[in-house]
Amino acid sequence: AQSVTQLGSHVSVSEGALVLLRCNYSSSVPPYLFWYVQYPNQGLQLLLKYTSAATLVKGINGFEAEFKKSETSFHLTKPSAHMSDAAEYFCAVSDRYGGSQGNLIFGKGTKLSVKP
Amino acid sequence: DTEVTQTPKHLVMGMTNKKSLKCEQHMGHRAMYWYKQKAKKPPELMFVYSYEKLSINESVPSRFSPECPNSSLLNLHLHALQPEDSALYLCASSEGDSGNTEAFFGQGTRLTVV
Repeated sequence: AQSVTQLGSHVSVSEGALVLLRCNYSSSVPPYLFWYVQYPNQGLQLLLKYTSAATLVKGINGFEAEFKKSETSFHLTKPSAHMSDAAEYFCAVSDRYGGSQGNLIFGKGTKLSVKP
Repeated sequence: DTEVTQTPKHLVMGMTNKKSLKCEQHMGHRAMYWYKQKAKKPPELMFVYSYEKLSINESVPSRFSPECPNSSLLNLHLHALQPEDSALYLCASSEGDSGNTEAFFGQGTRLTVV
């Protein structure tokens, strides 16, 4: 069974500092991987996705993630945090061969706080 | 139009009530989903509809009944719910059968069962 593990339920950074949110996946086949962001009382918005093209994926709002097969990781980074980045971030994996689409399995989430 | 629209945004219902949640998308997506999200938890998949047919039911209690009247609409009928069913219910859609297409999420319906 596929799964993702997000290390750190809460990450706090200062405005302007590097953001690093960690995600490791467990899959017997190369997975499809996603990062979603959720603001309070909102739905989820896709930040970026990895679907076996480029290993370095650029997303919206200055975020990017690198797929590292050797480390089974897909960490999310942003060079300089902004106050508006404060939100809950979910890493998710999709069943590549199961024929079932946005059948996403989510990590437990990481809450990002940004200090002024 | 890249929106998934859910109504209502908030719903309070008693344990003997019957209510429905509605979801609509006009992106031509052929797969639609219901997720349940408890506070401070990730979303959990409930149902998947693919080409208007129920393809996945993640062992959801029968008091939740999904319906897909057409390719743009998805309903979730609620009956005899319990207080522990209070949660944010998220609808999502994606293009089709391949796992590499992202899911677009609605804003959710905040359900409170009293």
